[in-house]
Amino acid sequence: AQTVTQSQPEMSVQEAETVTLSCTYDTSENNYYLFWYKQPPSRQMILVIRQEAYKQQNATENRFSVNFQKAAKSFSLKISDSQLGDTAMYFCAFNTGGFKTIFGAGTRLFVKA
Amino acid sequence: SAVISQKPSRDICQRGTSLTIQCQVDSQVTMMFWYRQQPGQSLTLIATANQGSEATYESGFVIDKFPISRPNLTFSTLTVSNMSPEDSSIYLCSVDTGTGDEKLFFGSGTQLSVL
Repeated sequence: AQTVTQSQPEMSVQEAETVTLSCTYDTSENNYYLFWYKQPPSRQMILVIRQEAYKQQNATENRFSVNFQKAAKSFSLKISDSQLGDTAMYFCAFNTGGFKTIFGAGTRLFVKA
Repeated sequence: SAVISQKPSRDICQRGTSLTIQCQVDSQVTMMFWYRQQPGQSLTLIATANQGSEATYESGFVIDKFPISRPNLTFSTLTVSNMSPEDSSIYLCSVDTGTGDEKLFFGSGTQLSVL
């Protein structure tokens, strides 16, 4: 079965600091896509960052970067220079190229002023 | 990218009634998806809706309970039928723009409370 595990239900970070959210997944596929989505209190799900499994280079989007370890099936999200607007629920997800995206349970991140 | 308008934003309904949620996309898309997010939980796929064919339901979801329409490439509806308090959730519409990168774009969700 394909699963996504986020072991940190809740985290907090001081504004301007760096925080890392963990994610592991399980699949027998070799090619797939990994994502981090953000859901602020407004409920709007927003794509934060995307990684293709066949690419060894870690994806980066401004203050957001990932540490993708394919052999370990690990896909962590690092948020640098945390801002108050980063307070949200963060979901790790993956898609094997079919039409079903599987989401983890989520990590609630609080950024403190 | 895609901009998705979903309505209603929220509703409070009585047990035994039905609610239809609408999802309008600003561009033509092949794949539309309906997700349920129960309180404090992750997203669970209800069904995939393709234009011109019957929706494909995931295990645990049936057409009689969650009928879906997909009349064209920019619009879909999800009906939650014969509601019970267990149906209280956020329902999210999403689309894959078909560019091959498997990214999903989401509507703003419908917060449903069933009394």
